[in-house]
Amino acid sequence: KAGVTQTPRYLIKTRGQQVTLSCSPISGHRSVSWYQQTPGQGLQFLFEYFSETQRNKGNFPGRFSGRQFSNSRSEMNVSTLELGDSALYLCASSPRTSVYNEQFFGPGTRLTVL
Amino acid sequence: GQQVMQIPQYQHVQEGEDFTTYCNSSTTLSNIQWYKQRPGGHPVFLIQLVKSGEVKKQKRLTFQFGEAKKNSSLHITATQTTDVGTYFCAGISDYKLSFGAGTTVTVRA
Repeated sequence: KAGVTQTPRYLIKTRGQQVTLSCSPISGHRSVSWYQQTPGQGLQFLFEYFSETQRNKGNFPGRFSGRQFSNSRSEMNVSTLELGDSALYLCASSPRTSVYNEQFFGPGTRLTVL
Repeated sequence: GQQVMQIPQYQHVQEGEDFTTYCNSSTTLSNIQWYKQRPGGHPVFLIQLVKSGEVKKQKRLTFQFGEAKKNSSLHITATQTTDVGTYFCAGISDYKLSFGAGTTVTVRA
């Protein structure tokens, strides 16, 4: 099976702009989770979507949003970008048939906000 | 909320030596997962522990889950240069992973 894919891999934006990141999960996986990774804060959970519904949400401001489509592909959007939003954004998919499922991570999108 | 603490943050190891990284949770975990992230890469699943006191081995890696299911450890023997990377533990709660800060391992040849 193909792995989790994320596009774009790299992105440079300026403060105040908005950005949309895309994630295609492993075929058959219905759960997609998003994480933000920074050197200072580590891996932080953003949100999880399952069957087009947001099931879990981390402690991020409303500028961070997401959605999932019927084919399980997911997008996350960050509006009014701030310098502190510079990070590696990782998407992970899981079959979510059990709380014990492992998560399969994509390569990430490296976002730089200038 | 659930917090997962991981120590040490950095581990500099001489090739051939052993080391251990520890993970502690503020709450009882249903299960714990371990991931490895190579420099420039993304986290890759290593193993999952579910039962109290569980011990699992993968070649030179030994994973333990505490009796109270609030702590875990990863022990690597005879460290090799291929062990370089950051090792994360992650506690599971309601399908949500709470990651520790990770232990970044460097190896001196």
